[in-house]
Amino acid sequence: SQQGEEDPQALSIQEGENATMNCSYKTSINNLQWYRQNSGRGLVHLILIRSNEREKHSGRLRVTLDTSKKSSSLLITASRAADTASYFCATDAAEFGNEKLTFGTGTRLTIIP
Amino acid sequence: SAVISQKPSRDICQRGTSLTIQCQVDSQVTMMFWYRQQPGQSLTLIATANQGSEATYESGFVIDKFPISRPNLTFSTLTVSNMSPEDSSIYLCSVVGLEAFFGQGTRLTVV
Repeated sequence: SQQGEEDPQALSIQEGENATMNCSYKTSINNLQWYRQNSGRGLVHLILIRSNEREKHSGRLRVTLDTSKKSSSLLITASRAADTASYFCATDAAEFGNEKLTFGTGTRLTIIP
Repeated sequence: SAVISQKPSRDICQRGTSLTIQCQVDSQVTMMFWYRQQPGQSLTLIATANQGSEATYESGFVIDKFPISRPNLTFSTLTVSNMSPEDSSIYLCSVVGLEAFFGQGTRLTVV
């Protein structure tokens, strides 16, 4: 399987703390994306980082990418109860272009008020 | 950006029956993607739906079980045929620009 892996599978933290999730993938990529899914509904795009970028910020989100290790991390700072969701990384294999995405196994994040 | 309307949002079906899921996009797109998400799992791509040609299925998925229609550039359907309890999942359609946009999903329970 080409599916990436994420760890931890589940994470519970207190509101206000930072949450870090990690993603590993297997093939060369054009870019890596992070998505959020609330209660088994549709996924919402959070942030995209290109293969030639090492770090990217968007609001309370910080994403890093290490292509030599085929890994990425998502940091959510100052967590809020509304951040409770499942988070997935997704990659596109470089040979296929950016249309076909492979999703990681996901991290279920719970923010405790 | 793209807005995708997917329906039904959920259904409970008897084994042996079929369910057709519809996705309507608010803009014309070349490719639409259908995913399955089994309980507590990640998304697995079922097939890519191209307008005017047969859908392309991923390993482990076949047209007889998951027939797909793509009559125009804004609409697609996925049918889950001859359902069994193992087909109980969330089914999602998606289109891709720079990022992927998803419908709200169809939560299917087969009893």
